[in-house]
Amino acid sequence: QVQLVESGGGLVKPGGSLRLSCAASGFTFKDYYMSWIRQAPGKGLEWVSYITSSSSYTYYADSVKGRFTVSRDNAKNSLYLHMDRLRAEDTAVYYCAINGESGSYPAYWGQGTLVIVSS
Amino acid sequence: QLVLTQSPSASASLGASVKLTCTLSSGPSSYAIAWHQQQPEKGPRFLMKVNNDGSHNKGDGIPDRFSGSSSGAERYLTISSLQSEDEADYYCQTWVSGGVWVFGGGTKVTVL
Repeated sequence: QVQLVESGGGLVKPGGSLRLSCAASGFTFKDYYMSWIRQAPGKGLEWVSYITSSSSYTYYADSVKGRFTVSRDNAKNSLYLHMDRLRAEDTAVYYCAINGESGSYPAYWGQGTLVIVSS
Repeated sequence: QLVLTQSPSASASLGASVKLTCTLSSGPSSYAIAWHQQQPEKGPRFLMKVNNDGSHNKGDGIPDRFSGSSSGAERYLTISSLQSEDEADYYCQTWVSGGVWVFGGGTKVTVL
C-alpha cells in the first residue's frame, strides 16, 4: 500500500537550516507530482511547495519562497525539502503528500515530521 | 487572492447527519475543491474532490456515508450516520493558477 514516511525534523535555531526527507513506497514514485504541506501547532494546514514528476517545475508559497527548496530523487523514491534561514513562524509539522489528478490536491498524506525553530 | 471560508465548528448527535460548508470568495463558482479529514493526533486524509457541478470523486476506502455536493460558490461535505471516529477537523482546499494551493481554516466536528 501507499506509504509516505517523513524524517529529518528537529530543533533548530533561528537562521539555521534543515533538510526534510520523505521516503515513498507502494506506488510508482516517478509518475507523480509531490508536495509539502505544514501545520503550525494548534493551527490549520498551509501549503508549502510542490514539484512535478520530473522536477521540471517547482512551486512555493510566498511565505517560504527564496528560503525553501523542494527536490526529489526518483531513483531513490524520495522527496526532500531544504529549509534555509528558518524563522520561529516556520515551526510546524511538515507533511509530504502525493498530488492527485493534474497535481491539484494532496491525494495521500504522510504522518508528518515536527520542526521547531527556537533559540 | 482566493479565500476559502469554513465555520470553525459543527456538532451533531451520534447517528445523525452533519453538513459542512466551504465558501469560495468572490463567487468563483467554477472551482473544484478537495475535502480532507484530520482525526486527533493524526495526519490528514484525503476524502474527496467535489466539482462545481456537484459530482465528487472519493479517495480510497472512504465510506459511503461521506458525500459531496455544490451550489454556486459553496461546496459541501455531508457526513451521514455520524460515528464517533468522525470527530475530527475537516479542511477544504483548492488550487489556483501558478500552482498555488489554498486551504480553508478548517471545521472541527464534535459528535455528541
